[in-house]
Amino acid sequence: EAQVTQNPRYLITVTGKKLTVTCSQNMNHEYMSWYRQDPGLGLRQIYYSMNVEVTDKGDVPEGYKVSRKEKRNFPLILESPSPNQTSLYFCASSSPGTGTSGANVLTFGAGSRLTVL
Amino acid sequence: DQQVKQNSPSLSVQEGRISILNCDYTNSMFDYFLWYKKYPAEGPTFLISISSIKDKNEDGRFTVFLNKSAKHLSLHIVPSQPGDSAVYFCALLKHGQNFVFGPGTRLSVLP
Repeated sequence: EAQVTQNPRYLITVTGKKLTVTCSQNMNHEYMSWYRQDPGLGLRQIYYSMNVEVTDKGDVPEGYKVSRKEKRNFPLILESPSPNQTSLYFCASSSPGTGTSGANVLTFGAGSRLTVL
Repeated sequence: DQQVKQNSPSLSVQEGRISILNCDYTNSMFDYFLWYKKYPAEGPTFLISISSIKDKNEDGRFTVFLNKSAKHLSLHIVPSQPGDSAVYFCALLKHGQNFVFGPGTRLSVLP
């Protein structure tokens, strides 16, 4: 089954304790990205990657790091989490022009709910 | 400054009637416009899309309309079904791969 898998799904941690949220896709997609969802703000892009070893900042990259050493994996790293990073995080992947109108279509993971105390 | 707005945080519709979800944007540099649906505890899933050169795209019960002069996008669902109850996000695509999402509208279809 084609899917994007995120782990952990739920995590409660404390300020300053480094954590990594893993993301893996089995569709051989070149493009991967991370979003956070907050009430009233929708989905905001944190980082994205066009391919292996190619990453770039999205709209809200502060406090986050990513790496893309393999095509299928795109982990999100919080080196020193703070309470304002409490959020619902989504990983997504896509290949160009996979939608019926020619648009790229993102396939999302199920989400990781992070609470930083 | 939000580029994409969905001014109705929530919408309730009777089963069998039409649901109309709206999305307004401020920037003209988008190539594609998409709608995603999200159920609780799941990731968003793709619903329907339209390119900037079209003004309408239909897929079964779902129709997306694009009014570029008004910078307005809408999704019509007819007839609405209880299983359509979810949060709907409009997503605008620019520069090939970068999406900008609206804040979402929670649709409740009442039996």
